Amino acid sequence: GENVEQHPSTLSVQEGDSAVIKCTYSDSASNYFPWYKQELGKRPQLIIDIRSNVGEKKDQRIAVTLNKTAKHFSLHITETQPEDSAVYFCATSGTYKYIFGTGTRLKVLA
Amino acid sequence: SQTIHQWPATLVQPVGSPLSLECTVEGTSNPNLYWYRQAAGRGLQLLFYSVGIGQISSEVPQNLSASRPQDRQFILSSKKLLLSDSGFYLCAWSGQGAYEQYFGPGTRLTVT
Repeated sequence: GENVEQHPSTLSVQEGDSAVIKCTYSDSASNYFPWYKQELGKRPQLIIDIRSNVGEKKDQRIAVTLNKTAKHFSLHITETQPEDSAVYFCATSGTYKYIFGTGTRLKVLA
Repeated sequence: SQTIHQWPATLVQPVGSPLSLECTVEGTSNPNLYWYRQAAGRGLQLLFYSVGIGQISSEVPQNLSASRPQDRQFILSSKKLLLSDSGFYLCAWSGQGAYEQYFGPGTRLTVT
């Protein structure tokens, strides 16, 4: 069946450094790729998304890149801050349903 | 603007007891609705989704069921809870024809 692999599972960076999280998917019909941030005990929040007809999208310090040929997409966070510490989930969708990655726990060290 | 509510926020139930979790969405019509479960420290598991009243699709065979009695109301139920049903239950919605899903605040269920 369809699946999404997400790496790394944990990531520690120094404050001010960049963080990159990568996801690989298998379903060729996927055409929407969101990223969610989940703080401890809270709901996942949509932070950025990209559609299959776009290769890159940026919103302030976060950006997402998509390579449909290779079936992978990545989240880039620049100038990391302590409040970026959270679990990040990627997902793919071709219809109503999402397939989520397993999550990356990002720790930004002050 | 749209708002999604879930209740209760937390729940402690004994094994074998029934369950009813409710989710409602305001500010939109005919949303797609979803129930997810998240075990402690784990990812998001899709349990059910609904694209309209009375239309429920189940993703995982288990002792849970879902119903959509009204356009913006989604209910998750169980007749007899298991220990393995413990987790963080999240309801989500998306607009018709839209991809973005937005999550409710969640219900933290502990089965003892």
